[in-house]
Amino acid sequence: GESVGLHLPTLSVQEGDNSIINCAYSNSASDYFIWYKQESGKGPQFIIDIRSNMDKRQGQRVTVLLNKTVKHLSLQIAATQPGDSAVYFCAERGEGGADGLTFGKGTHLIIQP
Amino acid sequence: ETGVTQSPTHLIKTRGQQVTLRCSSQSGHNTVSWYQQALGQGPQFIFQYYREEENGRGNFPPRFSGLQFPNYSSELNVNALELDDSALYLCASSPGVRGANEQFFGPGTRLTVL
Repeated sequence: GESVGLHLPTLSVQEGDNSIINCAYSNSASDYFIWYKQESGKGPQFIIDIRSNMDKRQGQRVTVLLNKTVKHLSLQIAATQPGDSAVYFCAERGEGGADGLTFGKGTHLIIQP
Repeated sequence: ETGVTQSPTHLIKTRGQQVTLRCSSQSGHNTVSWYQQALGQGPQFIFQYYREEENGRGNFPPRFSGLQFPNYSSELNVNALELDDSALYLCASSPGVRGANEQFFGPGTRLTVL
């Protein structure tokens, strides 16, 4: 079936560096994409979203890029901080929204001091 | 914090038992979705409720059922528990019509089936 997947399960970066987390999706009908951050013992926390009619969206220290041609989504985190250590999930939603979100397996971001 | 609360925090059951998990949505949110998250995996969509009716369902058997109340709080019921039902169960609420907007997650209920 349709799925959302991530390229790397673990990403280790130095504190202060920029990090990029990638995600591939396969459902071309998806119209909405979200990045979530999940810390140990907590529920997923919304970071940033993007609709399919956009290719870039910026938030505070984060940028999401959407390439519909190759069905690729990325999350860029600028000047990483220790508090950015967590598992990051991309999620997609099909048209209408009644089928919920489809999540990838997650990337564990580790910030080295 | 998202304002979505779930109870209980942790729960231990034995195989074959039944369990009810509860969720209070964020104020003003009329849509609630439930997800199952196995260890080391991403959340999987179970079903969604909008104005007290099931609005969509993932690939879960009928022994997973739910309710939404007039105040938009929700319950997830699982009958005939199996060992593989051990997981973190997440509730998410959203403000828009039929879950069209971003979903805000609660902290989850950790269910262990022995």
